[in-house]
Amino acid sequence: DSGVTQTPKHLITATGQRVTLRCSPRSGDLSVYWYQQSLDQGLQFLIQYYNGEERAKGNILERFSAQQFPDLHSELNLSSLELGDSALYFCASSILAATYEQYFGPGTRLTVT
Amino acid sequence: DAKTTQPPSMDCAEGRAANLPCNHSTISGNEYVYWYRQIHSQGPQYIIHGLKNNETNEMASLIITEDRKSSTLILPHATLRDTAVYYCIVRVAGGADGLTFGKGTHLIIQP
Repeated sequence: DSGVTQTPKHLITATGQRVTLRCSPRSGDLSVYWYQQSLDQGLQFLIQYYNGEERAKGNILERFSAQQFPDLHSELNLSSLELGDSALYFCASSILAATYEQYFGPGTRLTVT
Repeated sequence: DAKTTQPPSMDCAEGRAANLPCNHSTISGNEYVYWYRQIHSQGPQYIIHGLKNNETNEMASLIITEDRKSSTLILPHATLRDTAVYYCIVRVAGGADGLTFGKGTHLIIQP
């Protein structure tokens, strides 16, 4: 158990819909990262937040957005969903903005039908 | 970040040492070697990292060649629970962005 929690575990929704994935980092960690893992693209970095501020952006689509709240939990919002958005979404956390180790949560499996 | 090359799959007998190679011939002087693993759709797990000296922790040992162009992750006594995809990642020290995962090595521990 990494100490990172993600909800929900599974999510099934239809194309065109919007969903919100939630992540609570390990106690004391200020940085949160979001990753997407699909069969064809592998594990891809989406976005990083540090202490409430966006820190780095990866391959995040414009239909996706994220935020980190004052209590340090983070939410990833996915809108206008397409079949290709079906994937595992992982959240990771680390103590600082730049550290050696990232601790990953168990993931949210999103299925778009 | 420098590119890495890993074999797509490897087998190892339970109880034996598993040696996972990684080639990173374009590594820069300020780049570290990190290893993570992912056990069947679980979140990736940090294993170890190093710059140029060999490193050991409770999970594994990391051997980096003197020219730093390749490295080996060693699981000293592999168990069935070590079956996973192992990712070798090269990046600058404490890089302030996301990790770049390749395809990794699927290590299968045989009973």
